[in-house]
Amino acid sequence: GNSVTQMEGPVTLSEEAFLTINCTYTATGYPSLFWYVQYPGEGLQLLLKATKADDKGSNKGFEATYRKETTSFHLEKGSVQVSDSAVYFCALIVLGDMRFGAGTRLTVKP
Amino acid sequence: GAGVSQSPRYKVAKRGQDVALRCDPISGHVSLFWYQQALGQGPEFLTYFQNEAQLDKSGLPSDRFFAERPEGSVSTLKIQRTQQEDSAVYLCASSPDPDTQYFGPGTRLTVL
Repeated sequence: GNSVTQMEGPVTLSEEAFLTINCTYTATGYPSLFWYVQYPGEGLQLLLKATKADDKGSNKGFEATYRKETTSFHLEKGSVQVSDSAVYFCALIVLGDMRFGAGTRLTVKP
Repeated sequence: GAGVSQSPRYKVAKRGQDVALRCDPISGHVSLFWYQQALGQGPEFLTYFQNEAQLDKSGLPSDRFFAERPEGSVSTLKIQRTQQEDSAVYLCASSPDPDTQYFGPGTRLTVL
């Protein structure tokens, strides 16, 4: 079946530190891959996406590259800010079936 | 409206009560999805509509859960005889294409 596994948290970083949140997937067919962010008390917001192998999604300084050979879509940011504190979800969709990882809580301290 | 809206935002129910959760999708979005998000977990698929047709309800956990979208716009998720294990955030998403879903803020249901 289709599934997503992402790095368990929580992750705590200092401001301006480098961020990596690992995500790997299993899917039948050719999935599109996503990172969603959920700020406290709010719904899921699409952060970035990639629809085919080697595509790089990017937004607000975050990046993730669709790696078919390693079935991965790791999220990175070079310099995190306090405002990046949130829960991050990796997700895939294939043939209308959308699956999410369990989420990784990121806390950035000043 | 600018985005997907859901109401109520918070609902407290006594065990055994029926509840109804509403979702207003983005205007013009054909597809609508419901998800259940337990505390500390990612969203889990419940059901999917294309216009008024419910094409997939494989994620509904029991026959106490029922969803409808009679006019292909607003959708209602109904839970009958609520149980404590139904406590979760219920998310609605609408979609203009197969790859992109826009989520509402969710309804947090607490069953006492």
